[in-house]
Amino acid sequence: AQKVTQAQTEISVVEKEDVTLDCVYETRDTTYYLFWYKQPPSGELVFLIRRNSFDEQNEISGRYSWNFQKSTSSFNFTITASQVVDSAVYFCALSEPAFTYNQGGKLIFGQGTELSVKP
Amino acid sequence: GAGVSQSPSNKVTEKGKDVELRCDPISGHTALYWYRQRLGQGLEFLIYFQGNSAPDKSGLPSDRFSAERTGESVSTLTIQRTQQEDSAVYLCASSLREEGYTEQFFGPGTRLTVL
Repeated sequence: AQKVTQAQTEISVVEKEDVTLDCVYETRDTTYYLFWYKQPPSGELVFLIRRNSFDEQNEISGRYSWNFQKSTSSFNFTITASQVVDSAVYFCALSEPAFTYNQGGKLIFGQGTELSVKP
Repeated sequence: GAGVSQSPSNKVTEKGKDVELRCDPISGHTALYWYRQRLGQGLEFLIYFQGNSAPDKSGLPSDRFSAERTGESVSTLTIQRTQQEDSAVYLCASSLREEGYTEQFFGPGTRLTVL
């Protein structure tokens, strides 16, 4: 069965600190996709990144970076020099492969990590 | 362009009543998903529509839940005889059906409160 675990329920940091959000996943599929979404207080989910299982290169986008390690089934997310606007709930998600027309590619979400960045 | 829209944004109902939640996907998106988010929890998959194929209903929690979609347009999620445990935010997402993965765009959700 597929499962995503975000062990950190809440994290609180002071502005400008670096913070890493952990994500561990389980799947029997050899092809899969991993995602991070941000849910600010407004409630709307904001897509941050997608990574497929064949691409283990780390990615950096501004202050955001992602570390994908298949050996440990982890897809961790780091925010460098955090800002108050980064305060939100962050979700890691896993998608089944969607190679046939009827395969949905539904997302399996972790429980989320609530990040609070204080000024 | 316009994103995924959902209505109503908030719905308060009494236990035992039926409710209908509506989702308007992004124009041209062939795939549509419903998820449920209970307070402080992650999102749970409910149902998936793709074109005229039979929907994937594997996430529906009970037979009180049903959903319809006409072609590649609007979808309605119906909850019959609502219970207090149905209180949650119901999120809809749509996507272009692309080879290998689906990038889903989420609506703002409908917050359902069952008294």
